[in-house]
Amino acid sequence: RKEVEQDPGPFNVPEGATVAFNCTYSNSASQSFFWYRQDCRKEPKLLMSVYSSGNEDGRFTAQLNRASQYISLLIRDSKLSDSATYLCVVNYGADKIIFGKGTRLHILP
Amino acid sequence: DAGVTQSPTHLIKTRGQQVTLRCSPKSGHDTVSWYQQALGQGPQFIFQYYEEEERQRGNFPDRFSGHQFPNYSSELNVNALLLGDSALYLCASSAGQGIYEQYFGPGTRLTVT
Repeated sequence: RKEVEQDPGPFNVPEGATVAFNCTYSNSASQSFFWYRQDCRKEPKLLMSVYSSGNEDGRFTAQLNRASQYISLLIRDSKLSDSATYLCVVNYGADKIIFGKGTRLHILP
Repeated sequence: DAGVTQSPTHLIKTRGQQVTLRCSPKSGHDTVSWYQQALGQGPQFIFQYYEEEERQRGNFPDRFSGHQFPNYSSELNVNALLLGDSALYLCASSAGQGIYEQYFGPGTRLTVT
């Protein structure tokens, strides 16, 4: 099992719809979790940290399920500008940080 | 507020050569991490510098080395370049040692021919 796995997509979603991604991780000792978005040929940008209690930022909601070892990202009322690759990031501790390969999202007009 | 800056933007080298990439962290940040991102892949962690010392390292050979200066800027050096070193090299800065919320620079695209 890969350390961090994401469905590569692409997810083709009509504008205004709700879309959700999952990211699974293999090491139960994982300490912190993040979602980044990356536009084509650009650098990753921090979208959200993921907390055990779950957290929300506008249309975006991130959740952590330690028992099943996955994190999720929910995007409500999707916009054309949400089209990007979404990267899941897992920090295993002082010496290990793993990025997933990313999930591509296309919002269709 | 200046974000993370990297130079150069693009670079073309031949096999066996050496390359140096540069990074200036976001204002207020003292930790710099370097990543390699191949096409279609997520970034892979190379190493992190804090207080001018390499604190953490990913699974990269010794050909990859770095340095951090007193002003927190950093360099990534790659010796004996291989074709497989062609990638986007990203620098990320954060506040404090460890892997916390990081802010990435625009990257340096290295092509090895």
